[in-house]
Amino acid sequence: GAVVSQHPSWVICKSGTSVKIECRSLDFQATTMFWYRQFPKQSLMLMATSNEGSKATYEQGVEKDKFLINHASLTLSTLTVTSAHPEDSSFYICSARSFSGRGNEQFFGPGTRLTVL
Amino acid sequence: AQTVTQSQPEMSVQEAETVTLSCTYDTSESNYYLFWYKQPPSRQMILVIRQEAYKQQNATENRFSVNFQKAAKSFSLKISDSQLGDTAMYFCASGGGADGLTFGKGTHLIIQP
Repeated sequence: GAVVSQHPSWVICKSGTSVKIECRSLDFQATTMFWYRQFPKQSLMLMATSNEGSKATYEQGVEKDKFLINHASLTLSTLTVTSAHPEDSSFYICSARSFSGRGNEQFFGPGTRLTVL
Repeated sequence: AQTVTQSQPEMSVQEAETVTLSCTYDTSESNYYLFWYKQPPSRQMILVIRQEAYKQQNATENRFSVNFQKAAKSFSLKISDSQLGDTAMYFCASGGGADGLTFGKGTHLIIQP
């Protein structure tokens, strides 16, 4: 149990276009989903926290108008990178926390590699 | 605000040896959790072990155990009988309640045959 999927696993896009990444909890309901970004050879950095039915909370320095997050259901959150530029190229990882999750355990998706040309 | 510090960018040990990865943290939360995650080349984050800060007993999971020193804000990971499959990046992380996690910079662990 506790499987989280992400789609797509990788995407290449042209500068100026928008890209949507989906994060799904497959076998549990996720009250909260988190989006992280990981640059090459670096750690994960929390970008935003997404609660079902409410606006996402963004970490300091993360542009909310650039990284649009929607958490429309208890099993799906989407991250849209708007007007992507090469500096947005990164590995984006989501995680989901279940309603009955013990000890703040978060289940991670496999990540999405975004390359902006 | 929370900070997590891992001071060992890379470690290398022989197979079957025991290795300890260091982690220190700082948090203003009164109730928080500490984690060690493994990230193999596939980049899938895998939970290795979790410690609830209010529990004094150190967590153990098979070959993995932690040394949690709350007063010193230290949370080290010990891997016994290391195996080739343990080769990966290891991240220490902290989080409280419904918050996202704060990760350290990671330690690249290499198990030599």
